[in-house]
Amino acid sequence: DAGITQSPRHKVTETGTPVTLRCHQTENHRYMYWYRQDPGHGLRLIHYSYGVKDTDKGEVSDGYSVSRSKTEDFLLTLESATSSQTSVYFCAISETEGASPLHFGNGTRLTVT
Amino acid sequence: GQNIDQPTEMTATEGAIVQINCTYQTSGFNGLFWYQQHAGEAPTFLSYNVLDGLEEKGRFSSFLSRSKGYSYLLLKELQMKDSASYLCAAAYNYGQNFVFGPGTRLSVLP
Repeated sequence: DAGITQSPRHKVTETGTPVTLRCHQTENHRYMYWYRQDPGHGLRLIHYSYGVKDTDKGEVSDGYSVSRSKTEDFLLTLESATSSQTSVYFCAISETEGASPLHFGNGTRLTVT
Repeated sequence: GQNIDQPTEMTATEGAIVQINCTYQTSGFNGLFWYQQHAGEAPTFLSYNVLDGLEEKGRFSSFLSRSKGYSYLLLKELQMKDSASYLCAAAYNYGQNFVFGPGTRLSVLP
């Protein structure tokens, strides 16, 4: 298995609070991604990174920010959580852009009450 | 948009063969991935097609037709453990790069 660790695995938080999810990889892959998965929608890209300090928005980036200060860590922040951000969040890594498969972390189940 | 279409649910019998279809938009297309996702778990990579034709990997095969914007995943000799969602994902050479379909939930019955 690819060395990807997400933390926390589960989190319950209240509307309006900030939340940070962490993704840590030991594969030294350049590309890292944050997806959310909701019933009926499949996996949707929130943000991705193509190198340290290099990030870009995905399809559903509103309300989320990311940071990548080291190759191995990619942080996803919800500045002020809303109930619509209740979801399962997956981090993924890939060796190249578009031509190599994504390897996923085990996911973080976030509930915003 | 870059819509990916695949059936929502399928049911098959243990030992049978099942084919899961996927259609995608061809503009800017680079390649097609299939992932398996068991309930409550992360998706895991199954196959990758970039050229037309069939790629075989044990009980699983994947087919691609670039001109038709069509792929399928073929599962042979179905086992109970194959009950899972199967995700089709297209890679594009611009924008968000990977676009996932909604997934096909396959139930294998004894």
